[in-house]
Amino acid sequence: SAVISQKPSRDICQRGTSLTIQCQVDSQVTMMFWYRQQPGQSLTLIATANQGSEATYESGFVIDKFPISRPNLTFSTLTVSNMSPEDSSIYLCSVVATSGGDEQFFGPGTRLTVL
Amino acid sequence: RKEVEQDPGPFNVPEGATVAFNCTYSNSASQSFFWYRQDCRKEPKLLMSVYSSGNEDGRFTAQLNRASQYISLLIRDSKLSDSATYLCVVNGNAGNMLTFGGGTRLMVKP
Repeated sequence: SAVISQKPSRDICQRGTSLTIQCQVDSQVTMMFWYRQQPGQSLTLIATANQGSEATYESGFVIDKFPISRPNLTFSTLTVSNMSPEDSSIYLCSVVATSGGDEQFFGPGTRLTVL
Repeated sequence: RKEVEQDPGPFNVPEGATVAFNCTYSNSASQSFFWYRQDCRKEPKLLMSVYSSGNEDGRFTAQLNRASQYISLLIRDSKLSDSATYLCVVNGNAGNMLTFGGGTRLMVKP
């Protein structure tokens, strides 16, 4: 499986500010995704990060709130914009390894608290 | 109806017990099925994929019933270290998009 790192691992932010989360993979991967896990909940897909084109967002998530970049096959960023306390959550990136299977592997997550 | 449904538990079992988790999914076109394990404050980790023929990995057995749209996970000889939340995950037919169940919490006690 790929080795995935995320930065920052956690942050505490003020309402109205923005935070950019980075996801780095140790090998080239075709598919990268961003998920949110709110307290006590399961994971919800935010978007698919597409290399060289705009991300594909799921229902309820929009580019203005969660802009995503994917400049190459090993790196992606998710920005949480104009934050409110409701954005307090764990944000995780995941990848599908290019070895042929469709299993997804997750980064360690970024724990965000918005005051 | 949720796309992937699980009994949230918690399941409290003694060490050595056998415990079974069930999961149902609503999308009959789903292609791939997985069980993930998530420890407290950690990311989900793939436990095993689930195949139509059923598959076993040590103490863990997963089964899929496509007709009933039902997935199960059996854990034999439970260990304290098995305590975690077990997530039933289904991959639909649209570009590797995973849908997660709410998770079933297992607590194994001495």
